[in-house]
Amino acid sequence: QVQLQESGPRLVRPSETLSLICSVSGYAISSGYYWGWVRQPPGKGLEWIGDIYYSGSTYYHPSLNSRVSISADTAKNQFSLTLKSATASDTAIYYCARSQPYAGIQFDFWGQGILVTVSS
Amino acid sequence: DIQMTQSASSLSASVGDTVTITCRASQNIGSELGWYQVKPGKAPKRLIYAASALVAGVPSRFSGSGSGTDFTLTISSLQPEDFATYYCLHHSLYPLVYTFGQGTKLETK
Repeated sequence: QVQLQESGPRLVRPSETLSLICSVSGYAISSGYYWGWVRQPPGKGLEWIGDIYYSGSTYYHPSLNSRVSISADTAKNQFSLTLKSATASDTAIYYCARSQPYAGIQFDFWGQGILVTVSS
Repeated sequence: DIQMTQSASSLSASVGDTVTITCRASQNIGSELGWYQVKPGKAPKRLIYAASALVAGVPSRFSGSGSGTDFTLTISSLQPEDFATYYCLHHSLYPLVYTFGQGTKLETK
């Protein structure tokens, strides 16, 4: 069974960088699939942040493209999210998830999510 | 950019009811649509893919239909555990972009 688990600081100061890691078990990220991040601000809907393919190709939401970076560490079977210049509007539950969009598979396995608050 | 619109932000229903949640795409997306259930404190759960295919293990009271621009998620014989927020999701391939609908919260009447 594929399992994903988010980890990282739950409190980030404004203007600082938000960094999260998704640890994957039950499947080697180097074997394929896309690995991505989705967030949900309090009281709002889901928003896709971006994806990384195991080869290193990355895809980002156009509105976040200038601030976001996703990378993968196949040796640790992890991938990470970096969001620069955080503001209060980046406060959200952050989920990591697996997908294979070119095979018509949207997010099939998800982490439980981690609430990150951007506040001084 | 393709926009996904769920016209109802909330719906009220009772156990045993049949409810329909709608999602509209701003342009023809074929059948490239999924439905997700989200409950507080839990990971989102995929229910439907390719507009009408039921994910393995999801109860058969959930069904999806539609193609092109108009899609529906129908829940028959509502169960207490079905009260949640439901999102439609489309992904475009070139470039890769995922777009969620705004969500429809299903509440107890």
